[in-house]
Amino acid sequence: SYVLTQPPSVSVAPGQTASITCEGNNIGLTSVHWYQQKPGQAPVLVVYDDSDRPSEIPARFSGSNSGNTATLTISRVEAGDEADYYCQVWDSSSDHRYVFGTGSKVTVL
Amino acid sequence: EVRLLESGGGLVQPGGSLRLSCAGSGFMFSTYSMAWVRQAPGKGLEWVSLISGSGGHTFYADSVKGRFTVSRDNSDNTLYLQMSSLRVEDTAIYYCATAKGPLSDYFDFWGQGTLVTVS
Repeated sequence: SYVLTQPPSVSVAPGQTASITCEGNNIGLTSVHWYQQKPGQAPVLVVYDDSDRPSEIPARFSGSNSGNTATLTISRVEAGDEADYYCQVWDSSSDHRYVFGTGSKVTVL
Repeated sequence: EVRLLESGGGLVQPGGSLRLSCAGSGFMFSTYSMAWVRQAPGKGLEWVSLISGSGGHTFYADSVKGRFTVSRDNSDNTLYLQMSSLRVEDTAIYYCATAKGPLSDYFDFWGQGTLVTVS
């Protein structure tokens, strides 16, 4: 089955840039979606189709995808961005499966 | 405003059954594929099941195939997950979500979840 690997933790100072990677075999050939989950809350979609944002998500959140790595970038990080982040793909090769990454905890120092 | 409200969670013994419900409002329920995603305590997200807008197509993760059944009632804007032969490892918060995109390949709105404890 398809595996998506993320760093367990990312630390960043307020105002700086956080980059969260999502590694998978030839992930650049498929669309990647990203979710933010704060403690005790449901996940929220922050980026879809590699780099598009829902209208309510600030432009500080951006995404890219190429080769074997997709990246979620959070610019000008704020304390409120502290959360778990998950990447996700639809694995068309295995009878309609949805695969989530292992998750990354972003800590704002 | 899109709203998804799950219910039906609780404590059940191993081998038991439970039916979860998800009531949708604020959108054209019948036009959306709907999914169940779960999260075990302290763990990551795991997709469980998806059903097409009409209900004619259903898909399951290998971990629940043959034990869980997804269904929907578009006249009542409600999604269901019938869970049977429950195992300790099925303990999780179960979220319902709307599936979006040309391939219904991502989840744009989520409910707050309902906790299922198998013990």
